[in-house]
Amino acid sequence: EPEVTQTPSHQVTQMGQEVILRCVPISNHLYFYWYRQILGQKVEFLVSFYNNEISEKSEIFDDQFSVERPDGSNFTLKIRSTKLEDSAMYFCASSEQGINTGELFFGEGSRLTVL
Amino acid sequence: QKEVEQNSGPLSVPEGAIASLNCTYSDRGSQSFFWYRQYSGKSPELIMFIYSNGDKEDGRFTAQLNKASQYVSLLIRDSQPSDSATYLCAARPQAGTALIFGKGTTLSVSS
Repeated sequence: EPEVTQTPSHQVTQMGQEVILRCVPISNHLYFYWYRQILGQKVEFLVSFYNNEISEKSEIFDDQFSVERPDGSNFTLKIRSTKLEDSAMYFCASSEQGINTGELFFGEGSRLTVL
Repeated sequence: QKEVEQNSGPLSVPEGAIASLNCTYSDRGSQSFFWYRQYSGKSPELIMFIYSNGDKEDGRFTAQLNKASQYVSLLIRDSQPSDSATYLCAARPQAGTALIFGKGTTLSVSS
């Protein structure tokens, strides 16, 4: 069964360092998303990506965040200068279609710990 | 601000009982609604979606939608200990494709 894969599964970094989280969406999906979940809190939307550009972003997705689809398969989230409060589980998701019933399929997540 | 509200629980039911999980949403233009299950430390896993008023059944699960009341529910029949998890309600707002999630309701099924 096709699945969304994410790497790394866990990353520990020092405050102020840059982090890149990687995702391989399901191959025929067109819409890509990053969400985060701080421990014990809700799943929060960060950004969506369609047709090689950002289609929506939340107020969380500020200038320290960026996304890229560097090739035909990978979808990355970069955090330029990490803060303690960036510690969270980051989920990548993809969807075949973005409207109506297009359900999101989530990867297993990348746990980011900022020290 | 688009919000999805859920009672965080925990909701405790005995094995074999019906578990009822509820959710309200603020964006009246939302068209589609999703229930995900999340085990501790794992990613959300889709259970089912609904976009028409009324009931939709899939095995032991029934989703109910009332757009006039901006209310979505999930019924789990014959609850099993393996159903113990956090259940996330999500809505797709009228503008955009991203899903907005509630905080989730923790369900505990005791054997």
